Amino acid sequence: GQQLNQSPQSMFIQEGEDVSMNCTSSSIFNTWLWYKQDPGEGPVLLIALYKAGELTSNGRLTAQFGITRKDSFLNISASIPSDVGIYFCAVQHGSSNTGKLIFGQGTTLQVKP
Amino acid sequence: EAQVTQNPRYLITVTGKKLTVTCSQNMNHEYMSWYRQDPGLGLRQIYYSMNVEVTDKGDVPEGYKVSRKEKRNFPLILESPSPNQTSLYFCASSYLGRDEQFFGPGTRLTVL
Repeated sequence: GQQLNQSPQSMFIQEGEDVSMNCTSSSIFNTWLWYKQDPGEGPVLLIALYKAGELTSNGRLTAQFGITRKDSFLNISASIPSDVGIYFCAVQHGSSNTGKLIFGQGTTLQVKP
Repeated sequence: EAQVTQNPRYLITVTGKKLTVTCSQNMNHEYMSWYRQDPGLGLRQIYYSMNVEVTDKGDVPEGYKVSRKEKRNFPLILESPSPNQTSLYFCASSYLGRDEQFFGPGTRLTVL
């Protein structure tokens, strides 16, 4: 089946550092999503990207939809302890009306105060 | 408060003992879905439903059943659980055609 590959698998950084993670696929997708899962909770949508080359920000988070439509990047600036969690990329599979999402394996972020 | 609820949150059971995990949403969403989360594998879709009485298999449906008799509820049924179904399960819902899925808090299932 189709797969999304996220890297790195995990990161352990110092508070205040910037973070960068990415997600790649062998297939083209028209919608890229980034979710965050806080410890002990379900994932929550952070950013949605709909246009190749699009750069979207949400506070300290910035995500980009790759120009080839086969990848996406998420950057977090000036990390803080509450950024800890698992970050998932996801894409829409098939028609947007199906609601079917494919998720990457996740990038686990730990922030040392 | 708009939310997706799941019960139970934690469950330890034995092989072969039928169980049901309930999921309910109060947002009038058409779309509901079940995922399992395993280390290194991310979230994999088990079953989904686009509306009442409409369900379809996701990527890992073997060993699971679902039903959608009412719009708000989407229970996950394990008729004969096995140890390889030990996992963290999430229910999610959304409006049809919208990207943002709202996830429940998760159910951690252990099958001995």
